[in-house]
Amino acid sequence: DTGVSQDPRHKITKRGQNVTFRCDPISEHNRLYWYRQTLGQGPEFLTYFQNEAQLEKSRLLSDRFSAERPKGSFSTLEIQRTEQGDSAMYLCASSPGSGNGYTFGSGTRLTVV
Amino acid sequence: SQELEQSPQSLIVQEGKNLTINCTSSKTLYGLYWYKQKYGEGLIFLMMLQKGGEEKSHEKITAKLDEKKQQSSLHITASQPSHAGIYLCGARRQDKLSFGAGTTVTVRA
Repeated sequence: DTGVSQDPRHKITKRGQNVTFRCDPISEHNRLYWYRQTLGQGPEFLTYFQNEAQLEKSRLLSDRFSAERPKGSFSTLEIQRTEQGDSAMYLCASSPGSGNGYTFGSGTRLTVV
Repeated sequence: SQELEQSPQSLIVQEGKNLTINCTSSKTLYGLYWYKQKYGEGLIFLMMLQKGGEEKSHEKITAKLDEKKQQSSLHITASQPSHAGIYLCGARRQDKLSFGAGTTVTVRA
């Protein structure tokens, strides 16, 4: 068990480009969460999966954002046509089930220039 | 306004001194989590509190949950430079966490 892994750690992209982030959860965890964190704020919920099913999406998740977890293991978060306002830390977390703890990855820091 | 309010927003403490951070919820607390974050990094789990009156300790950090007051506190005894960072409280809401804005702790030698 190596914890929750996120790749890449840092991403700099030009406005208008598409970016994709990957998250590998703890293997026995069936729930996977995506959060976004901007400077000076706590993480904000974006979406979560139970196995391969996407159970909830925040209103923060505009139509430029899409997340998948095709085989119920790793997940990807794609942002299309990036904007400067998308610059943030994107955090992934996994959990074995309701109320049993949430383990976070190291995050992917996105900078849109 | 945020559902979870943390106070203070930031604090500076002399090494060896104690400090307390508070987290107050506008809704009933069913599970309260404390995390620590170094700048630019992920969240490190500290403690989870689930029952009113529950108190947990790990090394020099103690957290308490006052369910009636919808409040939790995190207390660090004899602070060290390693305690510096951002402390975040998170409340469990329908299978996900909702976070406060964080408290930045600076420890001065």
